[in-house]
Amino acid sequence: KQEVTQIPAALSVPEGENLVLNCSFTDSAIYNLQWFRQDPGKGLTSLLLIQSSQREQTSGRLNASLDKSSGRSTLYIAASQPGDSATYLCAAPPSNTGKLIFGQGTTLQVKP
Amino acid sequence: DVKVTQSSRYLVKRTGEKVFLECVQDMDHENMFWYRQDPGLGLRLIYFSYDVKMKEKGDIPEGYSVSREKKERFSLILESASTNQTSMYLCASSPLGQKGIAEAFFGQGTRLTVV
Repeated sequence: KQEVTQIPAALSVPEGENLVLNCSFTDSAIYNLQWFRQDPGKGLTSLLLIQSSQREQTSGRLNASLDKSSGRSTLYIAASQPGDSATYLCAAPPSNTGKLIFGQGTTLQVKP
Repeated sequence: DVKVTQSSRYLVKRTGEKVFLECVQDMDHENMFWYRQDPGLGLRLIYFSYDVKMKEKGDIPEGYSVSREKKERFSLILESASTNQTSMYLCASSPLGQKGIAEAFFGQGTRLTVV
């Protein structure tokens, strides 16, 4: 059964730092891995989707990598800004059905 | 842009009431999902649907039912609301794509309080 873990649960950094958020999964036979952002009291916004055949995806200051052999994905945020403060969740489907198994999330605070 | 719209941002209902949460997507996606999100428990799948009139139970279906009469609309029904159903409810949709392609999109969430 697929399990997804995110450590740490919370992270606080000064503005301008480059940072890495971690996501681990137990079953390497994943179909894809998706990163989301959630602002307090809001829904989830899709940031990046990495297919199982890919090693990384980039969107602006965000870069997500996928290493199936080690069961890890990382979300790299370059030159962090206070507006990046949010909870970041990773999720993987256990099959090609679209159902997602979520990590618990990492709450990021970027201080001005 | 894909849009998933949930009918209410906030709802307050009384114990025992029948509650309907509505979700509409505008991208002709085959798959639709209802999750609930609770502090310390994360997101958990309640029900999902692959097609019109088709539904399957997720991890926590007890106390809920769903309806999908049209492809774009997926409703979550709380048959008799209870205080332990106070939660954030999130609807999502994704296409029935090729392996690994199915990106999920979420609505803005409905914060339900049962008193």
